[in-house]
Amino acid sequence: SYELTQPPSVSVSPGQTASITCSGDKLGDKYACWFQQKPGQSPVLVIYQDNKRPSGIPERFSGSNSGNTATLTISGTQSMDEADYYCQAWDSSAAIFGGGTKLTVL
Amino acid sequence: EVQLVESGGGLVQPGGSLRLSCSASGFIFSSYAMHWVRQAPGKGLEYVSTISTNGGTTYYADSVKGRFTMSRGNSKNTLYLQMSSLRAEDTAVYYCVKDLRSGTYFPYYFDYWGQGTLVTVSS
Repeated sequence: SYELTQPPSVSVSPGQTASITCSGDKLGDKYACWFQQKPGQSPVLVIYQDNKRPSGIPERFSGSNSGNTATLTISGTQSMDEADYYCQAWDSSAAIFGGGTKLTVL
Repeated sequence: EVQLVESGGGLVQPGGSLRLSCSASGFIFSSYAMHWVRQAPGKGLEYVSTISTNGGTTYYADSVKGRFTMSRGNSKNTLYLQMSSLRAEDTAVYYCVKDLRSGTYFPYYFDYWGQGTLVTVSS
């Protein structure tokens, strides 16, 4: 079965750039999405179709997807960005989620 | 404003059944594919199922196929998930999710999520 692999944790200093990766076999041939989930809250879509931002998502969130890796980049990271981030793609008519990455802003 | 309100969760014994509902408002329900995604306590997100705008097409995760049935009542703006033969590993918060785009376009995108309803399978 298809799998997406994310690092369990990523740390970044305020104002710096955070990069969270998501790896899967030929992931670049699929569309990747990213979700942000803060404690006690429902997930929020922050990137879809590799690099598109839904309305209301700040410009500091961007995405890319090529080869076997999709990347979520947060420029000028703020303390409010501290959260769990999940990547997701579709494979054989089923959605697959990565295991999640805890982003710590310190 | 989009609102998705799940209900029907609770404690059920292994092997039992439960029906979840999701009441939708703030958008033209019949124009959007809808989804269920779950999250076990302290764990990550897991896809459950998808239904097309008219209910004619459904997709399921292998882990629930044959046990769960997703349906919708467009006249009532309500989404359903009938769960049977429940197992301990089905314990999770179940989220009702609206698709990003109107119509039926693959791949789908999980746009707006409800607050979820907790299902606990335990004896």
